[in-house]
Amino acid sequence: QKEVEQNSGPLSVPEGAIASLNCTYSDRVSQSFFWYRQYSGKSPELIMSIYSNGDKEDGRFTAQLNKASQYVSLLIRDSQPSDSATYLCPSSRGGATNKLIFGTGTLLAVQP
Amino acid sequence: EAGVTQFPSHSVIEKGQTVTLRCDPISGHDNLYWYRRVMGKEIKFLLHFVKESKQDESGMPNNRFLAERTGGTYSTLKVQPAELEDSGVYFCASSQEGSRFGELFFGEGSRLTVL
Repeated sequence: QKEVEQNSGPLSVPEGAIASLNCTYSDRVSQSFFWYRQYSGKSPELIMSIYSNGDKEDGRFTAQLNKASQYVSLLIRDSQPSDSATYLCPSSRGGATNKLIFGTGTLLAVQP
Repeated sequence: EAGVTQFPSHSVIEKGQTVTLRCDPISGHDNLYWYRRVMGKEIKFLLHFVKESKQDESGMPNNRFLAERTGGTYSTLKVQPAELEDSGVYFCASSQEGSRFGELFFGEGSRLTVL
């Protein structure tokens, strides 16, 4: 079983719709959860971090964390073609290294 | 402010040859990480430097991989001799000491193709 599970997609949504991206985790040790966006051939870019259960909103983005269910999601409101990218949801178990554990990523395609 | 820079962006080598990848972290960032993405797989941790010291190298695949960070500035990752399964994209990331967990700044990666 993979430590971080993501649907690889592609997830296709029309412009202006809400895109919903999900991740599940196999462990209960992870402490911190992140959403990174990666355009093709570019570097992963941090867009959201969430550390406690509940919702966290930043502009058009809302991250939702449920540690008991080992689940985190990202909602993108009013999706734009520029949101088309691969979305990664690594977790961190903390400690001295704070290394990130990644899933394979979900490809989001926003159709104009 | 310059981001994390990596060189080369793409390298094509024959099996058995040597390749050295370089990473320049953001100035002042003590933490430097190497990650790798093999085709179709997830990005995986290789190792972590704090300044010039290796904090965690548990992700290094085998002793054909050697990472250094001279003077706590730039880092190099050498693969010698390269094998076919080493092909992939090698990412470098950096963060400040004391930054929130996982808030890493990534480079665009060095794509390695071993023929």
